[in-house]
Amino acid sequence: DAGVIQSPRHEVTEMGQEVTLRCKPISGHNSLFWYRQTMMRGLELLIYFNNNVPIDDSGMPEDRFSAKMPNASFSTLKIQPSEPRDSAVYFCASSTLAKNIQYFGAGTRLSVL
Amino acid sequence: TQLLEQSPQFLSIQEGENLTVYCNSSSVFSSLQWYRQEPGEGPVLLVTVVTGGEVKKLKRLTFQFGDARKDSSLHITAAQPGDTGLYLCAVSYSMDSNYQLIWGAGTKLIIKP
Repeated sequence: DAGVIQSPRHEVTEMGQEVTLRCKPISGHNSLFWYRQTMMRGLELLIYFNNNVPIDDSGMPEDRFSAKMPNASFSTLKIQPSEPRDSAVYFCASSTLAKNIQYFGAGTRLSVL
Repeated sequence: TQLLEQSPQFLSIQEGENLTVYCNSSSVFSSLQWYRQEPGEGPVLLVTVVTGGEVKKLKRLTFQFGDARKDSSLHITAAQPGDTGLYLCAVSYSMDSNYQLIWGAGTKLIIKP
């Protein structure tokens, strides 16, 4: 079975540009989580969805960040405009509601110049 | 202040040595998970411990949940270069039947050949 699929794996962009990260969760999983990981701050939860509905977005740094989950098999995290301090690895993870075990994608390494 | 304190933050040892890393808290948890994150990948679940005093073994890795369910340890016997990675502990947090994981900052482990 395919795991969580994230794209792109690497993204290099210039300050001010819009960045869109994509995630396909494991089929049948009804919770989806977006994380950001940096050396300084570790793994931070940005937002999570249950059954495509955003439950907690308190971790979203500011209005430049937005996330959507239009259906059970796809989610996006958008940064507009991007800034150098957004440079990090962004992970998507999914789980079932019954079992709180999270399965992670391989991540998107974002560099904002 | 982190809910979960992991120590040490960083450990570099020679192949064949033994080591123990810790995950501590002042709070009581119903369960605790250990994940390993290899370079360039997302975290992967190693084990879930549920019962106070529980010991679980995964080949050369031994996981223990404290009697009071406030802390946990991971002991690796005869470490191998393949054990290199970031070891993260995590606990479930729920509000209104919505679950998320609270993460420690991790222990970065390097095993030198």
